[in-house]
Amino acid sequence: AQKVTQAQTEISVVEKEDVTLDCVYETRDTTYYLFWYKQPPSGELVFLIRRNSFDEQNEISGRYSWNFQKSTSSFNFTITASQVVDSAVYFCALKPPRGAQKLVFGQGTRLTINP
Amino acid sequence: SAVISQKPSRDICQRGTSLTIQCQVDSQVTMMFWYRQQPGQSLTLIATANQGSEATYESGFVIDKFPISRPNLTFSTLTVSNMSPEDSSIYLCSLGGNTEAFFGQGTRLTVV
Repeated sequence: AQKVTQAQTEISVVEKEDVTLDCVYETRDTTYYLFWYKQPPSGELVFLIRRNSFDEQNEISGRYSWNFQKSTSSFNFTITASQVVDSAVYFCALKPPRGAQKLVFGQGTRLTINP
Repeated sequence: SAVISQKPSRDICQRGTSLTIQCQVDSQVTMMFWYRQQPGQSLTLIATANQGSEATYESGFVIDKFPISRPNLTFSTLTVSNMSPEDSSIYLCSLGGNTEAFFGQGTRLTVV
């Protein structure tokens, strides 16, 4: 069975602090895809990143960075110098390479950045 | 990436009525998915919609309650039937594929 765990239900930090959102996953597939999404109060789901299980390189995009560690089945997300606009619910998700191809979501982490 | 247009963006409906949500894509896609997100919860897959065949529903969801149409490769609808307050949620359509996973803007439904 596939499972995604985001143990941090809520995080609150002060603006300009760095913050890391944890994501741990379980799967028996050797090939899979991992995703992060941002959900602002408007409710839409904004795609942030997709990572192939064969690519363990960390990725940086502006203030965002992702640390993929296959050995620990983790795909953590760090926001550097956080801003109020980063306040949202963040979801980590897992997708098998074939079959139903549906996403398995974590429970989400509600991030609040205080001015 | 494909552009997904979902509407309505929000609605307030009376219990016992039905609402049809539309999802339009600017390119042809084989698989489309419909998710539900209850207040404060994560996303749960309702069904997978392939063009030309009946939708495949996940456990806990039935066609009578959530009928889905997929008339072509760029369009799908989800109907929430005989609504009750428990149906108040955000409903999202999504595209499938080997690597892609994009979502529509979501429909925020409130049933009163």
